Amino acid sequence: QVQLQESGPGLVKPSETLSLTCAVSGYSISSGYYWGWIRQPPGKGLEWIGSIYHSGSTYYNPSLKSRVTISVDTSKNQFSLKLSSVTAADTAVYYCASGRQLVTETYWGQGTLVTVSS
Amino acid sequence: QSALTQPASVSGSPGQSITISCTGTSSDVGGYNYVSWYQQHPGKAPKLMIYDVSNRPSGVSNRFSGSKSGNTASLTISGLQAEDEADYYCSSYTSSSTLKVFGTGTKVTVL
Repeated sequence: QVQLQESGPGLVKPSETLSLTCAVSGYSISSGYYWGWIRQPPGKGLEWIGSIYHSGSTYYNPSLKSRVTISVDTSKNQFSLKLSSVTAADTAVYYCASGRQLVTETYWGQGTLVTVSS
Repeated sequence: QSALTQPASVSGSPGQSITISCTGTSSDVGGYNYVSWYQQHPGKAPKLMIYDVSNRPSGVSNRFSGSKSGNTASLTISGLQAEDEADYYCSSYTSSSTLKVFGTGTKVTVL
């Protein structure tokens, strides 16, 4: 059973870079699957941020593409999200997720709230 | 790419059946069999309930079923139970550059 756990700062200043890591257990990232990030602003719906395939191919939401980088560290069996030039609009619960298909998230982390504020 | 359209709320009594719709376009819901449904309880992560329009992951109750007609997908919950009270989101692959789009979300209330 794949288990995911997000970690990272809960508070980020405007214009800085948000950095989150998702530790994977129960499965080797290099074996397959898509590994991605989804966010949910307080009281609002879900937004797909992007995903990375185990081979390293990346797929990003065009609305965030210029600010997003998703990468994999197979040696630590984890993947990461970097979102640059953040504003208050980036305040959200960030979830890491994975699945066999790009468009289907079977496994989810518990989510981590990131607040953008000075 | 706009979000897929779902009703804001749906309610039903225990034991009843309810259906949640998810309307898109021929570029997403209508064009591909890559519709998924997620259940989200307050303060919890979403849980995959249906994938590829009508398939249930292992462990998901057979009270949950999915279907699609044209540009509209549907999630039906039969034998409604108190534990089914949650938010539900659909999602779909889209041929636009967005690749993946979520629905607006539906709050299910068990009366």
